[in-house]
Formats: sequence, structure tokens, C-alpha cells
Amino acid sequence: AQTVTQSQPEMSVQEAETVTLSCTYDTSESDYYLFWYKQPPSRQMILVIRQEAYKQQNATENRFSVNFQKAAKSFSLKISDSQLGDAAMYFCAYRSAIISDYGQNFVFGPGTRLSVLP
Amino acid sequence: KAGVTQTPRYLIKTRGQQVTLSCSPISGHRSVSWYQQTPGQGLQFLFEYFSETQRNKGNFPGRFSGRQFSNSRSEMNVSTLELGDSALYLCASSRLAEGYNEQFFGPGTRLTVL
Repeated sequence: AQTVTQSQPEMSVQEAETVTLSCTYDTSESDYYLFWYKQPPSRQMILVIRQEAYKQQNATENRFSVNFQKAAKSFSLKISDSQLGDAAMYFCAYRSAIISDYGQNFVFGPGTRLSVLP
Repeated sequence: KAGVTQTPRYLIKTRGQQVTLSCSPISGHRSVSWYQQTPGQGLQFLFEYFSETQRNKGNFPGRFSGRQFSNSRSEMNVSTLELGDSALYLCASSRLAEGYNEQFFGPGTRLTVL
């Protein structure tokens, strides 16, 4: 079964600074997708960025970028020019490309709570 | 375009009862997934429906079931409620079922089992 680990339960960053959230995963599959989701205090989860495993190029969305290291099974999220609105719980998620009737093919990490200090 | 809606937003039940939660996806979305979020276990995938068929299922007991209607609305049912079923239940919809598709989450239903 796949697992996703986020080793930093909490992190803080100064406004306008850069912060990197760590995520590692374990899988024996070669084809899969990785996501970072953000859950602000209001609880509505939103997608931050996604990466297809077969693409070597790291995904970028405005101030958000990832460092995808497939061999190391690492998928970190970098937030540049941090803003107060970035404060939230961030979840790293793995999704298998294989459809399955059994087991979880969509696995979330435990989350990292990010605080942004003014 | 309206977002994903979930009803009810809050629910209190007692052990042994059953409960049905509802999810209305974004118009045009045909895939609906359900998740359970608890402080102890985090966010866990329950199941996914696409065009009225269950496509994926997580590691939950048979007390947890779901269905999807022809208009893509989905319901999740939990029978014989246990204290451990207290959680935030999130529904997410996407246009298609392929794994890369972005999922749009609803606000959740907070279920408390007494």
C-alpha cells in the first residue's frame, strides 16, 4: 500500500519570505500523480499544484513550485513571497494511475500547518 | 458556477443509528469522491463514483456505502454508527475520473456520534 509522509507537522514563515514543505511517499508503482492541497481555516480544500510522475519537469503555479525527485520519492512544495493568505494546512497527496476496487489509490499525508507571520 | 455543496453541514447521531449525507457536484462534473477527515487518522479516501458506477474504494468497512444518481449527485450512507465515525466528511467532484483531474472540494459535513 502506498504511504505519504509529511515530516513537518507545523511550520512558520515570515511574510514575503520563502518556505519549503516536505513530502515523501512510498510506492512500487511507476505511474501516478502527486498533489498539494491547501485547507484554510474555513475548511474548503483547494488544489495548489499537481505533478504527473512521468514528467521530469517540476510543476509551477505562480508563487508555488515543486521539487519532484522521483527516484528519491520526494515531492516538496516551495512557496515564494509568502502572503498572509497562505496560512493553512497543506496536504501532500498521492494518486495511483491504476483503477482499483480495493485499497486506497488516493492517499493523503498527515498535513503541515503553515503559519505566516506579519 | 456554483461550487460543490454538501448537506447537511452538521449532524448529531447516536451509536447504532444510520446516516445519509448528500453531495451535489459542480454542474458538468461526473466524478464524485468521498473522504473522511479526523484528527487521528487524517484524510482518508472512502470511494469514488463516476457515471453512477463505483470506480475506486478505500479501506473502509461495509457499513460505509455510497451511490451516485443520474444527475451526478451522490449520497453516502453509514449504518450502525460507531463513536469512531465522528468526523468531517468531505465530498469532491471532478469533470472526469482520470487521476490527473483537479478535484473541487465541498465544505464538508461534520458528523458527531454520541
